[in-house]
Amino acid sequence: KNQVEQSPQSLIILEGKNCTLQCNYTVSPFSNLRWYKQDTGRGPVSLTIMTFSENTKSNGRYTATLDADTKQSSLHITASQLSDSASYICVVSLTGGGNKLTFGTGTQLKVEL
Amino acid sequence: NAGVTQTPKFQVLKTGQSMTLQCAQDMNHNSMYWYRQDPGMGLRLIYYSASEGTTDKGEVPNGYNVSRLNKREFSLRLESAAPSQTSVYFCASSEKPGSSYEQYFGPGTRLTVT
Repeated sequence: KNQVEQSPQSLIILEGKNCTLQCNYTVSPFSNLRWYKQDTGRGPVSLTIMTFSENTKSNGRYTATLDADTKQSSLHITASQLSDSASYICVVSLTGGGNKLTFGTGTQLKVEL
Repeated sequence: NAGVTQTPKFQVLKTGQSMTLQCAQDMNHNSMYWYRQDPGMGLRLIYYSASEGTTDKGEVPNGYNVSRLNKREFSLRLESAAPSQTSVYFCASSEKPGSSYEQYFGPGTRLTVT
């Protein structure tokens, strides 16, 4: 069964600190991997999308990395802000899978003063 | 630019009642999707419409029907609501079908079935 697993489930950090969120997937054959940010009570918003040939992609203070050989991705957040408090969701899609996206359950990040 | 809008934001139904969730997008996208999000689970696809005039089942279609009213609007209907359908429902759209296109999500509808 194609799965996407994220760790940790939740994380609390102090404002200004960096953090890294992990995503392991078993989806095969792999097409692309996305990271979404979901604020409480809102819909997910895309941060990055990477194909299997891309190793890293940045969006401001967010940097995603991908190792297609080990089927692992990480999302690194630099100099965290209170507004970074949200759920971060890893999403993987299949090659030739049409509209099939497999969503992880997310990492709940809280940034505190 | 509103993007993807959904109505209502909240709804409480009794078991057996019916209702329709509305979704509209103003990005001239061809493809639209309905997902549900439950605690401890990733979003799951209920139905999608690759283009105006077509609809297809997703991962969890039982108990739901959809209508692609026109290019802008895609509705989700619960004919006889059940407590298992208590969830947060998200509509999304993309320029074209296929996994390489970005999906843009609406704000969600929180549905409780008692």
